[in-house]
Amino acid sequence: SQQGEEDPQALSIQEGENATMNCSYKTSINNLQWYRQNSGRGLVHLILIRSNEREKHSGRLRVTLDTSKKSSSLLITASRAADTASYFCATDGGGYSTLTFGKGTMLLVSP
Amino acid sequence: NAGVTQTPKFQVLKTGQSMTLQCAQDMNHEYMSWYRQDPGMGLRLIHYSVGAGITDQGEVPNGYNVSRSTTEDFPLRLLSAAPSQTSVYFCASMVADGSSYEQYFGPGTRLTVT
Repeated sequence: SQQGEEDPQALSIQEGENATMNCSYKTSINNLQWYRQNSGRGLVHLILIRSNEREKHSGRLRVTLDTSKKSSSLLITASRAADTASYFCATDGGGYSTLTFGKGTMLLVSP
Repeated sequence: NAGVTQTPKFQVLKTGQSMTLQCAQDMNHEYMSWYRQDPGMGLRLIHYSVGAGITDQGEVPNGYNVSRSTTEDFPLRLLSAAPSQTSVYFCASMVADGSSYEQYFGPGTRLTVT
């Protein structure tokens, strides 16, 4: 399947540090999205980056996209304990109506 | 707006039983989908719909049926439950006019098949 793969699988940092998660995918895309999932909850959309964009910011989030390497990164600056969650990248595989999710990065931010 | 709602939150079934997981959204979204989430596997698409009366299969459709008679509702039917269907099921919706590709997720249904 056209699945994104996040790296690392798990990340443990202290409050105030930056957290970087990476996503690689296999086929051409129209856009790539990042979602967050708190334990036991549904996913929440964080940010979308289009295939013709290289970088996008939203608050403490910074997303980059390198279509030549088929990879994306999500940077969370000045992490807080409340950022503890799993983060997933999702790609549309060239079609807009279905998303393919990676397996996620589990982020733990300790006070 | 309630967003995307799912019922029940938890369900235990015996092998061979059937049941319907309910999903409803009040955002007038044309697109709705069902995913299952298993440990270490991420989310996998089961079925999706781009509007009332239109459904299509995703990555893992076997053992599941869907129908879309209204814009608001998109129920998922397990025909004959199997232990391999033990999972957390998420419903999601999205506008389908190209103005946004953000999917809105429900809180999930945790299903155990014994």
